[in-house]
Formats: sequence, C-alpha cells, structure tokens
Amino acid sequence: GENVEQHPSTLSVQEGDSAVIKCTYSDSASNYFPWYKQELGKGPQLIIDIRSNVGEKKDQRIAVTLNKTAKHFSLHITETQPEDSAVYFCAATLPPWTSGGYNKLIFGAGTRLAVHP
Amino acid sequence: DAGVTQSPTHLIKTRGQQVTLRCSPKSGHDTVSWYQQALGQGPQFIFQYYEEEERQRGNFPDRFSGHQFPNYSSELNVNALLLGDSALYLCASSQRWGYAGGLETQYFGPGTRLLVL
Repeated sequence: GENVEQHPSTLSVQEGDSAVIKCTYSDSASNYFPWYKQELGKGPQLIIDIRSNVGEKKDQRIAVTLNKTAKHFSLHITETQPEDSAVYFCAATLPPWTSGGYNKLIFGAGTRLAVHP
Repeated sequence: DAGVTQSPTHLIKTRGQQVTLRCSPKSGHDTVSWYQQALGQGPQFIFQYYEEEERQRGNFPDRFSGHQFPNYSSELNVNALLLGDSALYLCASSQRWGYAGGLETQYFGPGTRLLVL
C-alpha cells in the first residue's frame, strides 16, 4: 500500500525566514496531495493541496511543489510568522478506481515547526 | 456555515468498556471518514462511510465499527477498549466519491480525545 515519509520531524526558524518541509510517497498512482496544519488541541486544517497534473501551486506565503518522477512533494512557507508555529502534515491519496483507493488519506508523521520572534 | 463537528470533545473510559463518538459533516458533504491519531503521530485511516455503508476500511480490528445516518452524520463505536485505543479520533467529511474525479477535499473536525485507563 501507499506509504508517505516526511522530513524533518522538527524545524526551528527565525521569524521572517523560509521553511521547507519535504515528503515522499511510494505509489506512483497517487494523484492528490494535501497539506494540513494542526495547532495544539485542534483538528488538522487544510492549508493547500495539489493535484498530480500540476507541478506547483501558490497561495500567498505558502507554496507546494510536486515532482512526480521522483515521487516527492514539498511545502514552502516564506516570511514565516510566529502564528505559523504548528505541526504540519503532508498526505497522499490514490484515485478511487485503484486498489486501496476510495480517497483515504495516507499521512506523513508530521513536522513540528517553531517560528521564533 | 458550520464546519465538521464532533462530540464529545473529551472522554475517559476504562479497559473493556465501549465508546461511541459522533460526527456531523460539513454542509453539502455526504461522505465521512474516521481517523485515529496517536500522540505525536499522523492520523491513521479507520474507515469511510458513504450512502450509509462502509466503503473502505483501514487496518483496524472489528472492535472498531461505525454507522452513517440518512442525514450523513456518523458514529464510531469501539468495543472492548484497550489502553492502546487512547488517541485523538478525527472525523473528516467530503463530497461524494467521483464528485471531483476522486480528488475530493477532506475537512476535519476538532476531534474527540479518548483516554482509556
């Protein structure tokens, strides 16, 4: 089945710096890659997602890139702010028509991002 | 527009007991997925419900069961609780499979934190 690995597990940056989180997936059939932000005591919140037919997507200070050949995707946060501090999860999903599909999300282990003022 | 809601927020049970968790999906969504998130880990897929039927299941024992009601709300039941069942249980809702070609975004609720003593 699909497996998602995420690095680093912890990331500490100074306010204003950029942060990059990387994920790799195992099944080349995966076609949808969302990123979630989880603050303490809350559920994961979708912050950006990318489909397999797109190489890059940007939303203000957040961008995601996808390399289908290498089977990896990355989250880029620019001009980080203290409120960006949280745990970030990448995820991947197979199309419903494949074995093990039905759009269940397979998550990475998470990256704890700390932004210091 | 209310997002995904879950109840209760916290729950304490003892080994061997049974528990029922509840979820109301986001307005316009008819598919509900349940995930288990152990401390410090990413969410793990339990199962998904659509049209009141379990459509797909993760690697969880039969002690975990669920139900979806005609109004699309859902319940997760866990029997014969074990200490290892202590976790944050997350409900995610989405539009039906195929609505967006298998790329339906999943939105998470705040979760129910279950502690088994």
